[in-house]
Amino acid sequence: EAGVAQSPRYKIIEKRQSVAFWCNPISGHATLYWYQQILGQGPKLLIQFQNNGVVDDSQLPKDRFSAERLKGVDSTLKIQPAKLEDSAVYLCASSYLQGSEATNEKLFFGSGTQLSVL
Amino acid sequence: KQEVTQIPAALSVPEGENLVLNCSFTDSAIYNLQWFRQDPGKGLTSLLLIQSSQREQTSGRLNASLDKSSGRSTLYIAASQPGDSATYLCAVEYGNKLVFGAGTILRVKS
Repeated sequence: EAGVAQSPRYKIIEKRQSVAFWCNPISGHATLYWYQQILGQGPKLLIQFQNNGVVDDSQLPKDRFSAERLKGVDSTLKIQPAKLEDSAVYLCASSYLQGSEATNEKLFFGSGTQLSVL
Repeated sequence: KQEVTQIPAALSVPEGENLVLNCSFTDSAIYNLQWFRQDPGKGLTSLLLIQSSQREQTSGRLNASLDKSSGRSTLYIAASQPGDSATYLCAVEYGNKLVFGAGTILRVKS
């Protein structure tokens, strides 16, 4: 079974530039998550999709971050404009079940995109 | 607000030792607790998931326990090997989201 695919693996940009990350979840997985992991910290949820609808985006800085999941499969996370504090690893994860059935369901993570903002 | 703390932040042990990693959480109203492993430059791999009604889970040399009332979990690794070197993260499913600790960096020396 293919895992969660993410690209690019690394990205270096200057502050105020824009950047986009792409995620392809495991086939058939209804729920997709984007996490931000700052060095030395645990991952923090940015946004959760169920199919192509947003379930939770309460921790997404909406003035600069946006995400979409067209057709309920692939997803893109964008930062515009980037700040120095956005330097982190951006992890995508997916799970098979959705809604209340998703409780106790294991998440499968991609390898992440490491972003450095200079 | 749920907060997850992991102690120690880093641990270095010789090969063959048994070791314990600790995780504590502030709100006992959790659905489950999970332990993950993260290798450098890689994503997270789920190791064990303990549902709120369970007390422990075992997988090979790993054993995780959960005491909801005291807000604690431990991950026991038996007969550690250099290949166990990684960062170990615990996370609680709280509300509809996973809340992670900062992790314990484990190094097993050969």
